[in-house]
Amino acid sequence: QKEVEQNSGPLSVPEGAIASLNCTYSDRGSQSFFWYRQYSGKSPELIMFIYSNGDKEDGRFTAQLNKASQYVSLLIRDSQPSDSATYLCAVNMFRDSNYQLIWGAGTKLIIKP
Amino acid sequence: DTAVSQTPKYLVTQMGNDKSIKCEQNLGHDTMYWYKQDSKKFLKIMFSYNNKELIINETVPNRFSPKSPDKAHLNLHINSLELGDSAVYFCASSPTGWDNQPQHFGDGTRLSIL
Repeated sequence: QKEVEQNSGPLSVPEGAIASLNCTYSDRGSQSFFWYRQYSGKSPELIMFIYSNGDKEDGRFTAQLNKASQYVSLLIRDSQPSDSATYLCAVNMFRDSNYQLIWGAGTKLIIKP
Repeated sequence: DTAVSQTPKYLVTQMGNDKSIKCEQNLGHDTMYWYKQDSKKFLKIMFSYNNKELIINETVPNRFSPKSPDKAHLNLHINSLELGDSAVYFCASSPTGWDNQPQHFGDGTRLSIL
């Protein structure tokens, strides 16, 4: 089992709809969760982070965390073509006496006009 | 002002050569990282330094040697380059190495081995 799992996609969503991106993780002790967006040929860019169970909203983005189910998701409301990118889930895990961000392989999101 | 800057952006070289990639951050962060992103886009940590001290040293060939002259700089030297080293290498930084700190990335160095 991979430590951080994401569906690689591509996930195709019509413009204006809600895009739902999911991520599961293996370490029950993880406390910090991050969503990054990566456009093709560019570097990862932080979108949101969440530490507590429940929802966290920032503009059109909502992160949802369920630690009991070891599941974190990102919702994008009113999807725009500019949201088309690969979304990376990253989970902080304690390894070898240090915290490390463990990355999922990313979900490619395509917003169709 | 660029927060995390890497040079060069592109590096095309022949197998067997030695090359270096430089990284600098002006965010005042204590922790810096090197990642490798392969053709499948999977990001893999290579090294991490906290205030010039090596704290993460993943299983990478010893041809890769990081060096941190001060906490704002983390360079990566690669000896005897191989075809499999072709990838994008990202430098990143975070305020500290603790678990609730997001990382900020440089633009990446695209290394191509001929």
